[in-house]
Amino acid sequence: EAGVAQSPRYKIIEKRQSVAFWCNPISGHATLYWYQQILGQGPKLLIQFQNNGVVDDSQLPKDRFSAERLKGVDSTLKIQPAKLEDSAVYLCASSLDRPSGEQYFGPGTRLTVT
Amino acid sequence: AQTVTQSQPEMSVQEAETVTLSCTYDTSESDYYLFWYKQPPSRQMILVIRQEAYKQQNATENRFSVNFQKAAKSFSLKISDSQLGDAAMYFCAYRSAYLRGAQKLVFGQGTRLTINP
Repeated sequence: EAGVAQSPRYKIIEKRQSVAFWCNPISGHATLYWYQQILGQGPKLLIQFQNNGVVDDSQLPKDRFSAERLKGVDSTLKIQPAKLEDSAVYLCASSLDRPSGEQYFGPGTRLTVT
Repeated sequence: AQTVTQSQPEMSVQEAETVTLSCTYDTSESDYYLFWYKQPPSRQMILVIRQEAYKQQNATENRFSVNFQKAAKSFSLKISDSQLGDAAMYFCAYRSAYLRGAQKLVFGQGTRLTINP
């Protein structure tokens, strides 16, 4: 089966610009996650969707970050305006809707803000 | 809130030898899952092994095994017969077993493993 797809793989922008990332989860996976991984650290959850509803966005900087999951499938994560500290890898993951559901990760998008 | 700590930023091992990566965690929950993920330079997170807290038996997957000490909140990963392809960042992660709104993975800071030929 196809894995989690993400695009773009790399993005370089200047501070105060906007950027969007796209994720397509594994077919049939109801739960989708966006993680932020700053260099030298472990990933940190930004937002979790169950179908097209938000389950957890407690660590999403809502003044500049937004995310949506259209029709419970694809998802986009947007940053507007970007700050230098947003430079990181943004990982998308998906899982089946069950406690033991494994999370499968995409290849990530590396964002550099200059 | 749950926390995961990996106290070894870097480890190295000779090819074909055995290495153990350490992980401790803090939680007040009684039911949860623990994971080890591998992240090579390609950045793709790959699940190595999983442990369910209610199972006393330590999980094993081929050359990978864990030492799960629930009372001590310790979860170490042993890699036997190390291979060059094992070189990567390794992350320990925790996830609650309760379904509602608690499925996020909480990661440690990672351990960079180098395999010396």
